[in-house]
Amino acid sequence: GAGVSQSPSNKVTEKGKDVELRCDPISGHTALYWYRQSLGQGLEFLIYFQGNSAPDKSGLPSDRFSAERTGGSVSTLTIQRTQQEDSAVYLCASSTPGQGGNNEQFFGPGTRLTVL
Amino acid sequence: AQSVSQHNHHVILSEAASLELGCNYSYGGTVNLFWYVQYPGQHLQLLLKYFSGDPLVKGIKGFEAEFIKSKFSFNLRKPSVQWSDTAEYFCAVKISGTYKYIFGTGTRLKVLA
Repeated sequence: GAGVSQSPSNKVTEKGKDVELRCDPISGHTALYWYRQSLGQGLEFLIYFQGNSAPDKSGLPSDRFSAERTGGSVSTLTIQRTQQEDSAVYLCASSTPGQGGNNEQFFGPGTRLTVL
Repeated sequence: AQSVSQHNHHVILSEAASLELGCNYSYGGTVNLFWYVQYPGQHLQLLLKYFSGDPLVKGIKGFEAEFIKSKFSFNLRKPSVQWSDTAEYFCAVKISGTYKYIFGTGTRLKVLA
């Protein structure tokens, strides 16, 4: 079956512009995560969606970052007024929550964002 | 705050050498432990995981990891690496019953043919 897909695969933008990154999770996966992977860094948790519950936004680095998930499926991560330090690979993962959330995350290919 | 440390950032081995990648975490309660691998040009994928039971877990492609609770460690091992094991390896910890994963910074493994 289809895995997690993300678009675009690469995005180059100018400082100050807004960008939108999209994630299509695996069908039936109610849990969705966004991570940021910067060079030499691990995966930094950004936001978590689970079904219709309020998302956990505790990892968003600033108010320029926001995310939504429409209809419990597709998610969009928006970065406003991009800065050079936003350059990174943005990864999306989905999973079935399982008991206590003990289920494997399936990752998408990521979107490589470059802010000039 | 909880954290995960992978002390080896870059490892270079010859084929058939043995591999051990270190992973230590800081949290005193019950955790779930994972190793993920990212082959060049591919997605992150699960290599193995530990939830409970036998602390020695076996994953795909001959990898295994041992959970040593007293040392807060979950080191990854493989007795004989292959060129195809060249990849970046990430250790991750999830506090049991929660949904948030904490990842280490990764270890880049290069295996020379």
